[in-house]
Amino acid sequence: EVQLGESGGGLVQPGGSLRLSCAASGFTISSNYMSWVRQAPGKGLEWVSIIYSGGTTYYADSVKGRFTISRDKSKNTLYLQMNSLRAEDTAVYYCARGQSGYTFFDNWGQGTLVTVSS
Amino acid sequence: DIVMTQSPDSLAVSLGERATINCKSSQSVLYSSNNQNYLAWYQQKPGQPPKLLIYWASTRESGVPDRFSGSGSGTDFTLTISSLQAEDVAVYYCQQYYSTHPLTFGGGTKVEIK
Repeated sequence: EVQLGESGGGLVQPGGSLRLSCAASGFTISSNYMSWVRQAPGKGLEWVSIIYSGGTTYYADSVKGRFTISRDKSKNTLYLQMNSLRAEDTAVYYCARGQSGYTFFDNWGQGTLVTVSS
Repeated sequence: DIVMTQSPDSLAVSLGERATINCKSSQSVLYSSNNQNYLAWYQQKPGQPPKLLIYWASTRESGVPDRFSGSGSGTDFTLTISSLQAEDVAVYYCQQYYSTHPLTFGGGTKVEIK
């Protein structure tokens, strides 16, 4: 069974850093396209970043230069390093798996809440 | 960027009646080389992550009830719930994957029981 489980969220001050993790089971993350998608409180879905199976990465303009997506094949875990956090980064962050080499998402984690506030 | 616009923002439908949600993209998401529309639909219930319902605009994900159907092509798409059930109360999102950076979602449509 495919499972994704995020961790690492919490309260951080503006300008601070946080690293989110997404542990995967039932499949190999390095063989799939993996993304982070966030949802601000009471708002819609916003794509944040993607890492392709070949390792190429892309980011939303809103996080480019501040966030870094990566993966650890040995741990089958996806990461999102978030630096220079802003209040507008407050959201639930979901990791999601792209289906069969495409960028629609057939499996999502339960999400981890990041709150940026002083 | 491809902008996805959903309508209405919310709708209330009686149990057993039809619910129709629209999604319009700012440019075509039909890929001519394979004649596929790069459009997906998700359902999100309160406190839960999104769940994939439909991809390629009209292909139902495994396990999704057949009362859910997707249609449309190019820039205009529709998600239809043919006979609304109580468990279908949720927010529904469309997403284009024609242009993958950035991937973009519609603003969501909240479906409630009348």
